[in-house]
Amino acid sequence: DVKVTQSSRYLVKRTGEKVFLECVQDMDHENMFWYRQDPGLGLRLIYFSYDVKMKEKGDIPEGYSVSREKKERFSLILESASTNQTSMYLCASSFSGLAGGGSTDTQYFGPGTRLTVL
Amino acid sequence: SQQGEEDPQALSIQEGENATMNCSYKTSINNLQWYRQNSGRGLVHLILIRSNEREKHSGRLRVTLDTSKKSSSLLITASRAADTASYFCATGPNDYKLSFGAGTTVTVRA
Repeated sequence: DVKVTQSSRYLVKRTGEKVFLECVQDMDHENMFWYRQDPGLGLRLIYFSYDVKMKEKGDIPEGYSVSREKKERFSLILESASTNQTSMYLCASSFSGLAGGGSTDTQYFGPGTRLTVL
Repeated sequence: SQQGEEDPQALSIQEGENATMNCSYKTSINNLQWYRQNSGRGLVHLILIRSNEREKHSGRLRVTLDTSKKSSSLLITASRAADTASYFCATGPNDYKLSFGAGTTVTVRA
């Protein structure tokens, strides 16, 4: 079974802090994704990566950056946390990226990190 | 941008009844997927239907796709308490990104 793990289930940070959210997948997937989920808005894509050191902005990248130094690990960084970044953050991974010919495929999600910024 | 939109936003049914929810989307798709999310957890993939398919079954799940109307439906038959969750449709054009709707929250009453 595919396993996607996230470093924390719950996190409380203060405004202005630098926040790191880590995600690790164990199935050698090319693609990894970071979403945030807010009530009534569904999942919104922040960033995704289709290969090591490759990244592309999603729909709401402002205030976030990402890092993918190894295939299995994708980190989301909040450079200076703000209260409007309080949210549930979900990481996902999938096979069949650009390198594989490009086709939309099933995404496997981690359990989520509920981040509160005070 | 949010491509899929589920309807209704919330649904409450008795155990044993069927639950139907719909998804509409805006642009052409490669496939359409349905996911389930139990309270406070990550999403779990349920079923994928390709753009050249019209209906697909998986256990108690039945999904239909009408590309001319840009819509899909998910039917859960003989619902159980464990089906209480939020259900999301997700669509992708011709790349590997998915766009999720806001979800339908289903409550199954015992």
